[in-house]
Amino acid sequence: DTEVTQTPKHLVMGMTNKKSLKCEQHMGHRAMYWYKQKAKKPPELMFVYSYEKLSINESVPSRFSPECPNSSLLNLHLHALQPEDSALYLCASSQLKTPGQVKETQYFGPGTRLLVL
Amino acid sequence: AQKITQTQPGMFVQEKEAVTLDCTYDTSDQSYGLFWYKQPSSGEMIFLIYQGSYDEQNATEGRYSLNFQKARKSANLVISASQLGDSAMYFCAMRDDLNSGGYQKVTFGTGTKLQVIP
Repeated sequence: DTEVTQTPKHLVMGMTNKKSLKCEQHMGHRAMYWYKQKAKKPPELMFVYSYEKLSINESVPSRFSPECPNSSLLNLHLHALQPEDSALYLCASSQLKTPGQVKETQYFGPGTRLLVL
Repeated sequence: AQKITQTQPGMFVQEKEAVTLDCTYDTSDQSYGLFWYKQPSSGEMIFLIYQGSYDEQNATEGRYSLNFQKARKSANLVISASQLGDSAMYFCAMRDDLNSGGYQKVTFGTGTKLQVIP
């Protein structure tokens, strides 16, 4: 099973709402990632979790709050978002890299398309 | 710092023809990994092909091949016998192999939108 699932597929929220994005994988991967992708742009890394601990926060505003409750799940809690936060949010997972070069890729979910009104 | 450059914002190719998507990169690292991903309009990033910096042979995966020229720091994707389903955005990406945390720190290029014409 090489699938990463994300829910919901689409989300519309107001600037005062609180919502959560969910991501799940059952590949035994211990690294999980959140990316933000604006239209016609490459994905931008937001957060990286390694062994359920936050390893990278790419200076993301505090209105985005990640959570990794266990090795299979990754959440992104949203609160008081701005219209410019409207984007495709991609989750990915990967094995933690062993020494040497390996052909290990990140596996991406289908994304959540978020619209903030 | 790593940098990936894709100079072709958009390309057209006739169905059944081959097409080359350009990618150049810049890094001071000796060990790195190069990837190509396909992103259809549905949004999912689909892994296509991988080339390690120490691999002496060009990578191939079915209709996809990677023309790796290390001295020129280029990693072009060649798609043979294009199909209508190949219409998508294609991203070249580089993985930082010196990351001690074990996770993948990946830098993406700006992408090339490929349209296959019947």
